[in-house]
Amino acid sequence: AQSVAQPEDQVNVAEGNPLTVKCTYSVSGNPYLFWYVQYPNRGLQFLLKYITGDNLVKGSYGFEAEFNKSQTSFHLKKPSALVSDSALYFCAVRDKNSGGYQKVTFGTGTKLQVIP
Amino acid sequence: DAGVTQSPTHLIKTRGQQVTLRCSPKSGHDTVSWYQQALGQGPQFIFQYYEEEERQRGNFPDRFSGHQFPNYSSELNVNALLLGDSALYLCASSVAGGDNEQFFGPGTRLTVL
Repeated sequence: AQSVAQPEDQVNVAEGNPLTVKCTYSVSGNPYLFWYVQYPNRGLQFLLKYITGDNLVKGSYGFEAEFNKSQTSFHLKKPSALVSDSALYFCAVRDKNSGGYQKVTFGTGTKLQVIP
Repeated sequence: DAGVTQSPTHLIKTRGQQVTLRCSPKSGHDTVSWYQQALGQGPQFIFQYYEEEERQRGNFPDRFSGHQFPNYSSELNVNALLLGDSALYLCASSVAGGDNEQFFGPGTRLTVL
């Protein structure tokens, strides 16, 4: 079984400050990891993914994430937060060994509030 | 290039009724997955279709069924609706292959009264 934990329901950060949204995962094999963002009454938008290779992954809108295998974490980061970054962020995992079909497990989400 | 589209946008049903939701994948995508997102929760995987067959299924009862057509579009059917089925239903499309990200539609908001 695979699972994702997002320990913080909400993260508040001042505009211009760095932000971190935490994610830890559990899979039986090696993971594919994803971050998505959801704005109110909208579907999810893809931000970035970790497949293999460099542990620091860069994505859309200045976001990046760091894969840490020993800590089974994949935290989302941005050097300088914008008010427009305020949204709901979801971490997701898929086991590489899941037979070629893409069952993806999502976390419960973290609401990011950027304060002007 | 249109992204993933879903219809209808909103739907109100009463307990015991049946509902059909529709999804057209992004151009070039061959795999469709359906998710249920309850208020304040993350998306929960319902099932995935590839080559017109259900390939993976989450922990949902048989009241939830689906179909994929030759043009890769898909339907989600829910029978004998319960109040607890009220949620945002999201369709996601992708190209087959584990490292490919999914593209999500805007969702269908289902309310069961």
